[in-house]
Amino acid sequence: NAGVTQTPKFQVLKTGQSMTLQCAQDMNHEYMSWYRQDPGMGLRLIHYSVGAGITDQGEVPNGYNVSRSTTEDFPLRLLSAAPSQTSVYFCASREWASLAQPQHFGDGTRLSIL
Amino acid sequence: RKEVEQDPGPFNVPEGATVAFNCTYSNSASQSFFWYRQDCRKEPKLLMSVYSSGNEDGRFTAQLNRASQYISLLIRDSKLSDSATYLCVVRGGGNKLTFGTGTQLKVEL
Repeated sequence: NAGVTQTPKFQVLKTGQSMTLQCAQDMNHEYMSWYRQDPGMGLRLIHYSVGAGITDQGEVPNGYNVSRSTTEDFPLRLLSAAPSQTSVYFCASREWASLAQPQHFGDGTRLSIL
Repeated sequence: RKEVEQDPGPFNVPEGATVAFNCTYSNSASQSFFWYRQDCRKEPKLLMSVYSSGNEDGRFTAQLNRASQYISLLIRDSKLSDSATYLCVVRGGGNKLTFGTGTQLKVEL
């Protein structure tokens, strides 16, 4: 199993550009989520999904869209990049049925908005 | 008050020392607790879950105090390779996971 795979690992964008961060998992996990990590802020939940076709907002959803057309994939879209979205983004997944299960994280995407 | 609070450190300790981290949480309905380890510029990885009765995994001991709403992580005989940031993670109502900002540990020769 590859686990959780995120692409790209690094990206530099200009303000106003759009892009999609890809996330895929091969563990058949129902629950997937996107976090951003900023210094002094910890990991903050952007959006999450409890299964294909179902998504919901997390703590900091503004400026981001997600979709979950398949169990495996959970892309995160930046509609119009802003410098405030410069961050490290982590995708995570876990089984839904057992709520005590920990999350499996991808390697992260380091995104800079100029 | 933050939902999950940790002392950011850094904790600088000599190799072989015992070091303890505490983490407090504000939601008394929180149900599951974890410690994650994050190396510099890497993703967080599960270190251990925290059970009500306390649990141990080698040199690592985790404890939960529901009455005072804190969890702790004790590292004995610390190694250079233990240098990392340790994240306290709490699952509250609605299955929401909340991460602390992390405590940085530096183990020195």
